[in-house]
Amino acid sequence: EPEVTQTPSHQVTQMGQEVILRCVPISNHLYFYWYRQILGQKVEFLVSFYNNEISEKSEIFDDQFSVERPDGSNFTLKIRSTKLEDSAMYFCASSPRLAGSEQFFGPGTRLTVL
Amino acid sequence: RKEVEQDPGPFNVPEGATVAFNCTYSNSASQSFFWYRQDCRKEPKLLMSVYSSGNEDGRFTAQLNRASQYISLLIRDSKLSDSATYLCVVRNFGAGGTSYGKLTFGQGTILTVHP
Repeated sequence: EPEVTQTPSHQVTQMGQEVILRCVPISNHLYFYWYRQILGQKVEFLVSFYNNEISEKSEIFDDQFSVERPDGSNFTLKIRSTKLEDSAMYFCASSPRLAGSEQFFGPGTRLTVL
Repeated sequence: RKEVEQDPGPFNVPEGATVAFNCTYSNSASQSFFWYRQDCRKEPKLLMSVYSSGNEDGRFTAQLNRASQYISLLIRDSKLSDSATYLCVVRNFGAGGTSYGKLTFGQGTILTVHP
């Protein structure tokens, strides 16, 4: 069964460093998403991406964040200068279409900012 | 008011019990409704979509009341493997009335089923 994959599973970084979280969505999917979940809190939407551009983003997704689909398979989330409060689990998700369509989540990358 | 609100629990029930979770949402324009399940430190996984007429999938029954902006999930004959956090999730219209698929999650309700 096809699945969304994410690497690395755990990333530890120093405050102020740049990190890139990688995702490989399911191959025939067209819509891509990043969510995050701070420990003990709810899952929060960050950004949606379709047709090589951001279609919607949340207040959390400020200038420090960017997304890219550099090739036909990878979908990345970059945090330019990490803060302590960026420590969270980051989930990538994809779906084949919008209406009536499940979003399939990857296993997540746990980001720890020291 | 939170966009999606759930009773966080925890609910501790014996095997075989019936348990019900409730959820309310604040945006009357919400488009689609789901229950996801999340195991500890894992990704959310879709349990079932929720339709206006109510729907059932085996031991799980979901109900939606748009007038009250209320969603419920009923689990019958609980199994040990049902232990997880249950997430109430809504999808709203984005800017211009077009949904880009953004999901809004509730805090989750923790369920523990014991022998």
